[in-house]
Amino acid sequence: DTAVSQTPKYLVTQMGNDKSIKCEQNLGHDTMYWYKQDSKKFLKIMFSYNNKELIINETVPNRFSPKSPDKAHLNLHINSLELGDSAVYFCASSPTSYSNQPQHFGDGTRLSIL
Amino acid sequence: GNSVTQMEGPVTLSEEAFLTINCTYTATGYPSLFWYVQYPGEGLQLLLKATKADDKGSNKGFEATYRKETTSFHLEKGSVQVSDSAVYFCALRMDSSYKLIFGSGTRLLVRP
Repeated sequence: DTAVSQTPKYLVTQMGNDKSIKCEQNLGHDTMYWYKQDSKKFLKIMFSYNNKELIINETVPNRFSPKSPDKAHLNLHINSLELGDSAVYFCASSPTSYSNQPQHFGDGTRLSIL
Repeated sequence: GNSVTQMEGPVTLSEEAFLTINCTYTATGYPSLFWYVQYPGEGLQLLLKATKADDKGSNKGFEATYRKETTSFHLEKGSVQVSDSAVYFCALRMDSSYKLIFGSGTRLLVRP
């Protein structure tokens, strides 16, 4: 009974390609997120959607485009991949916008750019 | 802006030793505070949380107390096990804000 699931778990591709990462949550949460974790384990939010509406976009290049077809899904499409995009990308969800509600994370997608 | 500062790792301990991982925060208001743990090859799991001053969060033998006067939320455990080896992240979230702000993470290695 996976709560937040991401696919694929590993993604190896060449510079310049376009790729997508999918995320689904079965917790009934309203809000979903994408985080990027770099090689030094530093975690930073990229995007957040609440009920399919974009609410956070943290100075992420236009090559990254999130899409939320419904509140249980938040996909991340990346165009023209660059070496610096190599990282682990985590999807997360939370029930509401209230600050005391924890976020639930997926297991991550490790993206490697050759 | 709001931020979280954690002690740098790695922290290496022998089994049954006492653990402290320091975390301090800077915030314009009164955030909720969290500790997340990341085991090798896995995603982040919530370890514990505290939502107001003097609250103590606890789980699996870990504890952290929300100290407004020192803006700290240090993680402690009385006796660590090899299975506690992981990366620990301190994080804050402001009222009416959707995003978690993380510290840089502290790697803990516990040796038998």
